[in-house]
Amino acid sequence: GQQLNQSPQSMFIQEGEDVSMNCTSSSIFNTWLWYKQDPGEGPVLLIALYKAGELTSNGRLTAQFGITRKDSFLNISASIPSDVGIYFCAGHNYGGSQGNLIFGKGTKLSVKP
Amino acid sequence: EAGVAQSPRYKIIEKRQSVAFWCNPISGHATLYWYQQILGQGPKLLIQFQNNGVVDDSQLPKDRFSAERLKGVDSTLKIQPAKLEDSAVYLCASTPQGGVEAFFGQGTRLTVV
Repeated sequence: GQQLNQSPQSMFIQEGEDVSMNCTSSSIFNTWLWYKQDPGEGPVLLIALYKAGELTSNGRLTAQFGITRKDSFLNISASIPSDVGIYFCAGHNYGGSQGNLIFGKGTKLSVKP
Repeated sequence: EAGVAQSPRYKIIEKRQSVAFWCNPISGHATLYWYQQILGQGPKLLIQFQNNGVVDDSQLPKDRFSAERLKGVDSTLKIQPAKLEDSAVYLCASTPQGGVEAFFGQGTRLTVV
């Protein structure tokens, strides 16, 4: 089946640094989404991308939908301690009645004050 | 707007026992998903409902897992009998009709001993 490869698996950075993570797939997707999951909570949607080449920002977060439709990246600028968590990419294709999301394994972000 | 509600938050059972989880999606959301998230992994789809019908249950271990959404609103997921490898967080999510972005509940953490 479809699989998403996220990298890096984990990052340990200093507060104030910028962060970059990416997600690649062997299959194309129509939509890419980025979620953040805090310990003991469900994933929370950060950014959704709907068109190849699209670049979208949400505060300090910027994400892009790759031209090939097989990849996406997420950047976080000027990281702060509350950015700590696990970031998941998810790809969506329409199938059946509506399709569903395929998730990567996540990038764990740790921020040192 | 109330989010996706799940209960219980935590459950510990012995192997071969049965367990049930409950989910109430965001009001008006037609599509409901159950995901299984094993520690260190991304969520994996178990079953997708569109109103009260099953759209995709291809990854549901049907010999022990069952789910229903009888009135097209809330849903229950049951495991009977549980195995050690069922220890995971069970996440419920919903999307509006035609939507792609899934909204997640807090999840139920199941430990099978």
